[in-house]
Amino acid sequence: AQSVTQLDSQVPVFEEAPVELRCNYSSSVSVYLFWYVQYPNQGLQLLLKYLSGSTLVKGINGFEAEFNKSQTSFHLRKPSVHISDTAEYFCAVIRDDKIIFGKGTRLHILP
Amino acid sequence: NAGVTQTPKFQVLKTGQSMTLQCAQDMNHEYMSWYRQDPGMGLRLIHYSVGAGITDQGEVPNGYNVSRSTTEDFPLRLLSAAPSQTSVYFCATRIGISSYNSPLHFGNGTRLTVT
Repeated sequence: AQSVTQLDSQVPVFEEAPVELRCNYSSSVSVYLFWYVQYPNQGLQLLLKYLSGSTLVKGINGFEAEFNKSQTSFHLRKPSVHISDTAEYFCAVIRDDKIIFGKGTRLHILP
Repeated sequence: NAGVTQTPKFQVLKTGQSMTLQCAQDMNHEYMSWYRQDPGMGLRLIHYSVGAGITDQGEVPNGYNVSRSTTEDFPLRLLSAAPSQTSVYFCATRIGISSYNSPLHFGNGTRLTVT
């Protein structure tokens, strides 16, 4: 089974609208969860992480994610997107001490 | 402080040729890794190293070799390139293998085309 699943390969959203990018993880992996962002022609950078504690995690650029153990989910949200949020977003988990990435969700901001 | 430096940025190879992708870091990180990124596949781990002299296989190691003779460098070798190895390659480092609280630091990638 996939360690981490991102159900949406692309998400179009209008500027200033809210967005949610979905991520589900396998119950067989550790509950260390991450979201990374990749802007065009760049490497990835960390957006936020959940290691323990509060299930609502705040990251950079106004993004937040909620860890839901019962639903094995770690969805990423932003209340109002900006054109500069155009990027690909990757959910990641730890499996056997290695960071395993989902297939990514490309966020398209519509004017 | 350059962080993670990958060279070259672009490379075109013919099938059967060999080459080495370079990765250097100046952050004294113990953990270094190579990923390949393909459309619709996300990032897949090729090889990783938890310190000088120690390497291990990731998810897709076939066709690639690595070595770690120093803390700073982690080259990725393609001994006989195949079209299936056309991809964007990223080097990523972290303080230590169990340092989950610290992020992965990525280079800017090497775009490889094998014809």
